[in-house]
Amino acid sequence: AQSVSQHNHHVILSEAASLELGCNYSYGGTVNLFWYVQYPGQHLQLLLKYFSGDPLVKGIKGFEAEFIKSKFSFNLRKPSVQWSDTAEYFCAVDSYSSASKIIFGSGTRLSIRP
Amino acid sequence: DAGVIQSPRHEVTEMGQEVTLRCKPISGHDYLFWYRQTMMRGLELLIYFNNNVPIDDSGMPEDRFSAKMPNASFSTLKIQPSEPRDSAVYFCASRGLAGGTQYFGPGTRLTVL
Repeated sequence: AQSVSQHNHHVILSEAASLELGCNYSYGGTVNLFWYVQYPGQHLQLLLKYFSGDPLVKGIKGFEAEFIKSKFSFNLRKPSVQWSDTAEYFCAVDSYSSASKIIFGSGTRLSIRP
Repeated sequence: DAGVIQSPRHEVTEMGQEVTLRCKPISGHDYLFWYRQTMMRGLELLIYFNNNVPIDDSGMPEDRFSAKMPNASFSTLKIQPSEPRDSAVYFCASRGLAGGTQYFGPGTRLTVL
């Protein structure tokens, strides 16, 4: 069965610090990978996604993620965070099976100190 | 496209009452998902449909919860009778293809007193 692990439950950074959030998944086949963001009081929104091609994916608001197939990882990065990045971040994995359902990690809460 | 539409946005009810949450997926999307989110349990998948057919309802907490999708543009999640522990934000999401991007609605914040 597919699973997604986000080892950092809560990350606290100061503005301008660099960010890296870990995500590991377990699934033997071809997968699509996603990062979603949930700002306080809002719904989940797509930050970026990887389907195929260049394993370094760029998303909105300066975020990027790198797919490393050998490590089953899809870590999220941003070189310089802003206070407005305070949110919860969810990594997710899905397969191409018609019966597939996207599997979400437990989320990482990011708090940015102004 | 208006995105995934949910109603109501907020619902306050008393224990024992029936609650019905509604969702309109993005037009043309074949998959529809219902989630529940709480501080204690995080984001939980309750049930999902493919072409209006329930595929996996293993996340539905108990028989008090039921979901239907009578057509491609409408789904309901019903709780009867409601209990205080059902208080949560309920999200509906849809996607077009297997493995594709999933789009979330704004959610319904349910409070059961």
